[in-house]
Amino acid sequence: RKEVEQDPGPFNVPEGATVAFNCTYSNSASQSFFWYRQDCRKEPKLLMSVYSSGNEDGRFTAQLNRASQYISLLIRDSKLSDSATYLCVVNTLSSGSARQLTFGSGTQLTVLP
Amino acid sequence: DGGITQSPKYLFRKEGQNVTLSCEQNLNHDAMYWYRQDPGQGLRLIYYSQIVNDFQKGDIAEGYSVSREKKESFPLTVTSAQKNPTAFYLCASTTGVNEQFFGPGTRLTVL
Repeated sequence: RKEVEQDPGPFNVPEGATVAFNCTYSNSASQSFFWYRQDCRKEPKLLMSVYSSGNEDGRFTAQLNRASQYISLLIRDSKLSDSATYLCVVNTLSSGSARQLTFGSGTQLTVLP
Repeated sequence: DGGITQSPKYLFRKEGQNVTLSCEQNLNHDAMYWYRQDPGQGLRLIYYSQIVNDFQKGDIAEGYSVSREKKESFPLTVTSAQKNPTAFYLCASTTGVNEQFFGPGTRLTVL
């Protein structure tokens, strides 16, 4: 089982649609959670951190369910510029006692005009 | 402007050759990381360094080597022992356990 698993995608949605991405993680000791965005052939960039109480940033809402080891990202009123790959990222304690980020394989979103 | 630079952007290598990918940051970050990304896959950790003159193997270190002689620099050498080196290589740095800042990446192709 992968440490971080995401919806396989791709998601093709019309402009203005609401789309949700899901992610599960296997390490119950994981402490920090993030969504990164990666544009085609570019580097990943932090979209938002995910807090236990849930958090919202404009059209984006992230939620965490520690009991189910589940993270979600909701995008409302999709824009063409939202087209990208969304990476679920979990911060875990490595065997070398250093914290490291574990990345999901990503979910590709295409917003259609 | 502060940031992370990687060079070259594209690199072509013949089988059996070692190549070194450059990564420089002026963010004054202590920790630096090297990842590899293959098409349709997430990032996989190759090596990381939390402090100068110290580095640790990540999940897929075989066939790679690194050095950390300066805080600003963390070069990655892809050796001939790496059997499938064609990939997108990303360098990142961080001050702590949260956000990692990435460089623009190097696309390595083995001919």
